Amino acid sequence: QSVLTQPPSVSAAPGQKVTISCSGSSSNIGNSYVSWYQQFPGTAPKLLIYDSNKRPPGIPDRFSGSKSGTSATLGITGLQTGDEADYYCATWDASLGAFGTGTKVTVL
Amino acid sequence: QVHLVQSGAEVKKPGSSVKVSCKASGDSISREAISWVRQGPGQGLEYMGRVIPILGVSTYAQKFQGRVTITADKSTSTAYMELTRLKSEDTAVYYCARVGSYYYYAMDVWGQGTTVTVSS
Repeated sequence: QSVLTQPPSVSAAPGQKVTISCSGSSSNIGNSYVSWYQQFPGTAPKLLIYDSNKRPPGIPDRFSGSKSGTSATLGITGLQTGDEADYYCATWDASLGAFGTGTKVTVL
Repeated sequence: QVHLVQSGAEVKKPGSSVKVSCKASGDSISREAISWVRQGPGQGLEYMGRVIPILGVSTYAQKFQGRVTITADKSTSTAYMELTRLKSEDTAVYYCARVGSYYYYAMDVWGQGTTVTVSS
C-alpha cells in the first residue's frame, strides 16, 4: 500500500496545462525531499524533478514541481502528445523509499 | 555517466528464490546507495529496499523483511537483490536505481529492468 496518494488520471488538450497532486504526511513529504518520475509503457522510470522543484539536465522547463507542507505538485505546461505517460511522486519515510500511486496523463 | 545493466529475465517456481544483479559501468557504485523497486503487471512502483555499498549496510521495506536480501560487491560495482519463498504475486519487473546524493537522494539512474515470472 502506497503512503503517497495521487489522482489515477488527468487529461488535457495539446498545449494546455495539467497538474498532478501527491498527498503524503509529516513523516514523509513533510520531512524529506520529493522527486517525480515519468514512465512510458515497457520502460524504466526517468527522473523528472528532484528536491521538489529542480530539474536534472535535459528536462524541459515545461515540467515544474512544488511542495507545500505534506503535499507536492507536478505541473506540465504546453502539453504534448509525447507527454502521455505515467507519473510517480516519491520521497523518503524513515529512510525507506515511498512512491505515489501513480497518475496517467492523457493528451486529448 | 554511470549506466546500470541488469541480469536477464527469470522464470521461477513458487517457493524458490531469485537473485537479480545490477552492474554499474562508467562509474563506481561505492559512494551512492542502490535501491530496488518492483512493478507488478499493470501496477505502480513499489520500493523494496536499498544498500549503501561503501558501508555494506542494507535497509528493507517492512513488506519484504525476512524475504529479501540486498547486497553489493564494490570490487565489481555490482548490486544484487535476492528474493526468497517466491509467490505468484512476486511476478513483476524488478528495477535497480542509483540514489544520487547530488540529486537530493532521488533515483537518478535506473537499470533496464528484469522480468521475474513466478509460475508453477
